[in-house]
Amino acid sequence: SAVISQKPSRDICQRGTSLTIQCQVDSQVTMMFWYRQQPGQSLTLIATANQGSEATYESGFVIDKFPISRPNLTFSTLTVSNMSPEDSSIYLCSAREDTQYFGPGTRLTVL
Amino acid sequence: AQSVTQPDIHITVSEGASLELRCNYSYGATPYLFWYVQSPGQGLQLLLKYFSGDTLVQGIKGFEAEFKRSQSSFNLRKPSVHWSDAAEYFCAVGHMNRDDKIIFGKGTRLHILP
Repeated sequence: SAVISQKPSRDICQRGTSLTIQCQVDSQVTMMFWYRQQPGQSLTLIATANQGSEATYESGFVIDKFPISRPNLTFSTLTVSNMSPEDSSIYLCSAREDTQYFGPGTRLTVL
Repeated sequence: AQSVTQPDIHITVSEGASLELRCNYSYGATPYLFWYVQSPGQGLQLLLKYFSGDTLVQGIKGFEAEFKRSQSSFNLRKPSVHWSDAAEYFCAVGHMNRDDKIIFGKGTRLHILP
C-alpha cells in the first residue's frame, strides 16, 4: 500500500495570504487527488492532479483559487490562495494504486 | 446518479457490544466498495474493500463487511468494540480500473460507552 505524507500537518494563516501544501507518495502512482473536509463534514473532491498536465477541477473549485502542481509521479502540491475564514478545513491528499490511500491531512485555520 | 447513504450520523454502543454501521449505495456498474476510518485529527485509514468474489470481506482491526447486491448495501460489523474504535467511519463507492471518482458517504460517528 502507498504511504503518503503531507506538509505542513497544520497551519494558522491570515486572511488574504496563500498556503502551499505538499504531498509525497512513497511509490509512483498514476492518479493523485486533493480533497477538502470542512469541519464535521465528509470529503469533497477538489481536483485530480494529472502528471504533466493541468489538474481537473470539480464543480465549484477553480484553478485561480486552488492551483495544483504535479511535477512527477510521486509528488503534488495544492495552494490555497487569497484565503478567507471559509477556507478553514482539513485538506487531504490521496493516491490511487489498487485502491485509494490518503495522507494524514493538513489542518488549516484562517483568521 | 451515483451516491452513498450512511443513514446514521451518530451511533453509541457500549464497550464490548457488537456494532453494525449501515451503508447503502447507488451505482450504475458493479461497484468497488470501501470503508475508511478517521480518528480525531487524523487522515483516513482503509479498513477494508470489496472488489469481487466472496461477499463477506475481512478487514483490519477485527472489522468485516458484507456486500448484498439485492439490497445495495455494504454494512460494516464488529463483534465486540473497543474504546479505541471511537472514530468517524466513511463508506465509499467507486471503480478502481476506470476514471471514476470515489464517492463518500457523509460518515457515521461512533461513540463508545465505558
